[in-house]
Amino acid sequence: GQQLNQSPQSMFIQEGEDVSMNCTSSSIFNTWLWYKQDPGEGPVLLIALYKAGELTSNGRLTAQFGITRKDSFLNISASIPSDVGIYFCAGSNTNAGKSTFGDGTTLTVKP
Amino acid sequence: EAEVAQSPRYKITEKSQAVAFWCDPISGHATLYWYRQILGQGPELLVQFQDESVVDDSQLPKDRFSAERLKGVDSTLKIQPAELGDSAMYLCASSQYLGTGGGAFFGQGTRLTVV
Repeated sequence: GQQLNQSPQSMFIQEGEDVSMNCTSSSIFNTWLWYKQDPGEGPVLLIALYKAGELTSNGRLTAQFGITRKDSFLNISASIPSDVGIYFCAGSNTNAGKSTFGDGTTLTVKP
Repeated sequence: EAEVAQSPRYKITEKSQAVAFWCDPISGHATLYWYRQILGQGPELLVQFQDESVVDDSQLPKDRFSAERLKGVDSTLKIQPAELGDSAMYLCASSQYLGTGGGAFFGQGTRLTVV
């Protein structure tokens, strides 16, 4: 089936640094989604991307839908301690509704 | 703020026993999903409902798992009999329409431990 590869698997950064992570797929998706999951909680949707080449921001977060429709990138600027968590990318084909998730990037922010 | 409600939060059960999880989606959301998340991995879809109808259950182990959404509102996921490998977080999610590109609201999940 479809698989999403997220990298890096984990990141340890200093507070205030910028963060970049990405997600690649062997299949094309019509929609790319980025979620954040805190320990013991369900994922929370951060950004949704619906068009190839689209660049969308949500506060300090910026995500891009790759031109090939097989990849997506998430950037976090000026990281703060509450950015700690696991970031998941997910791909979806609109009519199907369901999402295929990557295995996540675990972010640790050192104060 | 509207949220997806799940219960119980935690469940410990012995293998070969039956276990059930309950989900109440956000009011008005027609699409409901059950995902399973193994520790260290991303969520994997088990079953998807549109109102009371199953849209996709291709990844549901139907020999032991069942799901229903009888009135198109809340939903129950059952495992019988539970196996050690079923230990995972079971997440329920909902979205307003089927064609929302998969962006969904997730509940807090039920952490299942099978001993």
